[in-house]
Amino acid sequence: NAGVMQNPRHLVRRRGQEARLRCSPMKGHSHVYWYRQLPEEGLKFMVYLQKENIIDESGMPKERFSAEFPKEGPSILRIQQVVRGDSAAYFCASLEGGASQPQHFGDGTRLSIL
Amino acid sequence: QQQVKQSPQSLIVQKGGISIINCAYENTAFDYFPWYQQFPGKGPALLIAIRPDVSEKKEGRFTISFNKSAKQFSLHIMDSQPGDSATYFCAASKEAGYSTLTFGKGTMLLVSP
Repeated sequence: NAGVMQNPRHLVRRRGQEARLRCSPMKGHSHVYWYRQLPEEGLKFMVYLQKENIIDESGMPKERFSAEFPKEGPSILRIQQVVRGDSAAYFCASLEGGASQPQHFGDGTRLSIL
Repeated sequence: QQQVKQSPQSLIVQKGGISIINCAYENTAFDYFPWYQQFPGKGPALLIAIRPDVSEKKEGRFTISFNKSAKQFSLHIMDSQPGDSATYFCAASKEAGYSTLTFGKGTMLLVSP
């Protein structure tokens, strides 16, 4: 049973380019969370999605960041016009649904901005 | 505003010793408290979790102690092993499963042989 799959594992972009991070949840999981981890920091919540719906985006920066979880395919976190401060590890977690179910994390995408 | 405060930032323990990591929270609406273990280059993996209706939960060498009145909880690793060397994060959420996790800043544990 494959876990949460994130790709790419490492992504290098120049300032002003776009970054697309993909997350395939565990089989049967319909809830996806994105978190960002800066060096020496814990993970910070960005956005929570279910299939075709954004449930909570309170942690997402208002500009340049967007996320989707289409009916078919992986969840995508998109960062437009990247800046140096976007350099971080981005983690996706998935959840089957129902009370008392833990979030399962992928191994993250390390984004570096030149 | 940091809603979950974790200490210490780093910890060195000898093999066979007890590792203790502490967390304190502010939001009384939190009712689910997991601990995650993270190795370099990997994502966080759930280690153990507790709800506030119990004061202690033990799984193997790992124990969570929970003090609701003090709004504090801690992770104890008994008989610490070099393989336990990792970063540990406490977290909290308002409802197990659905709600977003608020993480502490992490504790880097090194268990010396």
